[in-house]
Amino acid sequence: AQSVTQLDSHVSVSEGTPVLLRCNYSSSYSPSLFWYVQHPNKGLQLLLKYTSAATLVKGINGFEAEFKKSETSFHLTKPSAHMSDAAEYFCVVSGASGTYKYIFGTGTRLKVLA
Amino acid sequence: DTGVSQNPRHKITKRGQNVTFRCDPISEHNRLYWYRQTLGQGPEFLTYFQNEAQLEKSRLLSDRFSAERPKGSFSTLEIQRTEQGDSAMYLCASSGQGSYNEQFFGPGTRLTVL
Repeated sequence: AQSVTQLDSHVSVSEGTPVLLRCNYSSSYSPSLFWYVQHPNKGLQLLLKYTSAATLVKGINGFEAEFKKSETSFHLTKPSAHMSDAAEYFCVVSGASGTYKYIFGTGTRLKVLA
Repeated sequence: DTGVSQNPRHKITKRGQNVTFRCDPISEHNRLYWYRQTLGQGPEFLTYFQNEAQLEKSRLLSDRFSAERPKGSFSTLEIQRTEQGDSAMYLCASSGQGSYNEQFFGPGTRLTVL
């Protein structure tokens, strides 16, 4: 079975400081991993995806994530937070043999302080 | 930009009534998914179609829930005899054929059962 654990339900950073949102996964198969962002009253938007190519994945809006198999982690980072980054972030695992459904983490709410 | 659309965006109903939601996927996508998201949680998988075939259903999908995708285009999700516990955001997503194709999400239908 696949699962995802987002280690922090809330993260607060000051504008201009680095962002780290933590995600650990469990999978019996080689997983596909994704980060999505959900702004209030908006749909889920893909930030980036890992699909067994490069372990360091770059996404939109300056975000990136590193796949570490030994640590079963896929943490999301950004060097400098912007006010517009305030949103809910979801780590997602997929790709168990025969199914393409997503397994979502419980989400991390990012607050950016001026 | 013809993304995934969902109708209605909001639905308020009384306990015991039936409701039906519609999802129109991105036109060239053959896979369609339904998820349910409750407050403070990540979306949970409900069911998945490849073309018109319903290939997987979650145990969350009780016998009061039914989903269809006639002709492999739009999909409907019906809830019969609604209960207050059905109150949630119902999300639809679609994806292309590849193993690593990301899912594109619609804005969701928010259901409130009084």
